[in-house]
Amino acid sequence: GQNIDQPTEMTATEGAIVQINCTYQTSGFNGLFWYQQHAGEAPTFLSYNVLDGLEEKGRFSSFLSRSKGYSYLLLKELQMKDSASYLCAATDSNYQLIWGAGTKLIIKP
Amino acid sequence: ETGVTQTPRHLVMGMTNKKSLKCEQHLGHNAMYWYKQSAKKPLELMFVYSLEERVENNSVPSRFSPECPNSSHLFLHLHTLQPEDSALYLCASSQDAYGGANVLTFGAGSRLTVL
Repeated sequence: GQNIDQPTEMTATEGAIVQINCTYQTSGFNGLFWYQQHAGEAPTFLSYNVLDGLEEKGRFSSFLSRSKGYSYLLLKELQMKDSASYLCAATDSNYQLIWGAGTKLIIKP
Repeated sequence: ETGVTQTPRHLVMGMTNKKSLKCEQHLGHNAMYWYKQSAKKPLELMFVYSLEERVENNSVPSRFSPECPNSSHLFLHLHTLQPEDSALYLCASSQDAYGGANVLTFGAGSRLTVL
């Protein structure tokens, strides 16, 4: 079957770095998305990886290893506003999105 | 207005009521989606419309009935719901339904409570 695994909850300190991992098993693979969702708000697009390697976008970076079925989202210089849920989603061979349950990130002062 | 707008933001209904959720996108996108989001569960795709034609229906119970009158508007008609249908219903749109880096733009959702 198709499956995405990511931790349910993580806690980090303001100013620190946190890495949110995501492993996927899909029928074929066409790319991996990360979305951010603040409580009571719409999910918003963060990043898309299709090739192996690290993509950096300001304080946020996303990594993909296709051979390992693994991705991570790296958040640097954490701010209180980064407290949110982070959703990982992979596209399968039919470009269907397979979603993880999300990782709730709690930032403490 | 810009982006994807959903109304109402909150809805409480009894099991015998009939109500509708509305979604409107101002992005010129060709595809629109309904997702169900329950606590600690992955997003569940319910329906996909591409150029006003339904292209996906993921075994959703008939008590949920979608309608897409044009490429900017999407409705979800609700009737005879069950308490387990209580969830956040998210509308999304994208440039096309399939292919490549198909980024979804979501609305803020309609929080549904079925009593």
